[in-house]
Parts: sequence; structure tokens; C-alpha cells
Amino acid sequence: GEDVEQSLFLSVREGDSSVINCTYTDSSSTYLYWYKQEPGAGLQLLTYIFSNMDMKQDQRLTVLLNKKDKHLSLRIADTQTGDSAIYFCAESNTGTASKLTFGTGTRLQVTL
Amino acid sequence: GAVVSQHPSWVICKSGTSVKIECRSLDFQATTMFWYRQFPKQSLMLMATSNEGSKATYEQGVEKDKFLINHASLTLSTLTVTSAHPEDSSFYICSAPASVGYNEQFFGPGTRLTVL
Repeated sequence: GEDVEQSLFLSVREGDSSVINCTYTDSSSTYLYWYKQEPGAGLQLLTYIFSNMDMKQDQRLTVLLNKKDKHLSLRIADTQTGDSAIYFCAESNTGTASKLTFGTGTRLQVTL
Repeated sequence: GAVVSQHPSWVICKSGTSVKIECRSLDFQATTMFWYRQFPKQSLMLMATSNEGSKATYEQGVEKDKFLINHASLTLSTLTVTSAHPEDSSFYICSAPASVGYNEQFFGPGTRLTVL
């Protein structure tokens, strides 16, 4: 089955950039997503990228996709304390109506 | 964006009892909804796909007789944990895809189940 891996923890200082990485195994992945989960809450979609794109930028967020290496990253510029949360990458191979396979999650800690 | 609600947000029950969790799409119709389970400090694992007007599709290893899913209308899916045991304690999250053409699933806020 599909496998999506992330590093478990990342600590950055406020104002620095954060880079969260994700690797996946399903070569038929069509959509790749980044979700944010705050403690005890559901998931908030941050951004997504189609598999035929290399990069997508949305305000402070930049997503890079290396399809050859099956590697996805999320860069958060000017990281703020409010960005502290768990970040999940996820993939699906048929778009919004299909099930998502989630990564293991990366806990981002932003320090002052 | 579209809103998905869940009820209750948290529940504590005794071992052996059944618990029903509701997932509602508030401002859109969803013929499909997904139920996920998240154990502490772990990722979300898909349990089943709920289909309006037909049987749910369960993922491998998920007992359909233990986790009953009913998708009675285009805005409501329910998950009933039957004869709950402490190992069923988890965070249950539902999601619903928006209408065709949108690349987004909307997630409910989750239901935390604690079985004593």
C-alpha cells in the first residue's frame, strides 16, 4: 500500500523559515496536500499541489515537489508562534473524492 | 469554505456500551464521507468510506460489525462504535469532499472517545 513518511519534530525560532519534508511511495499520486492540526482540533487544509507542478506559493507558504524522488516539502517563511502545530502531508490519486493517505505528521515547535 | 460538524466533540463511556458519532456537512451535500481514527501522537488512519444510500466500504483490518456506519442522507453520516472497549479510545475525525471540481476535503473538528 501507499506509504507517506515525515520527520517527527522540528524546532525553529520565531522569524526563521521552517521546512517540513515528506516522502511518499505511490507513483500514481495525483494530488499532494499539506494539513495543519492544532491540539485537540481537526485538520485545516493549508495548500495542495498537483503532481504535474514543481512549485506552488501561497503567501508565506511554498510547496516544492520533486516527483522523480517522490519528495514534497513545505516551507513556512517568517514562522510565527501561531504556526506551532502538527503538519501532515497527504496524498490521493484521484482527487478530492478519493481517500487520503496521511503522513506520520511533523510537530513544529516555534520558540521565541 | 464549507463546514463539517461532528457531535459530540468528546464522550466518555463505560466498556461494553455503544457510542454514536455524527458527522454533518452544514452547507453542502456529500454523497461520500470518510471516517478516520487518530491515536495519540499518531497519524490519521482511514477506517471506512461512507456512501449515501449504500453500504460503507471498510479498510482492511477494520471490523464492520464493530464500527457501524450509516449514511442516511446527503448531509449526515453516523459512526457507531458498538460494545466499546478501552482500546477503542481514540480521536475520530470525519471528512467530506466538496462538490465535484474542488480539490479539497473538509474535515470535522473530531470526536474524542474515551472508554473506561
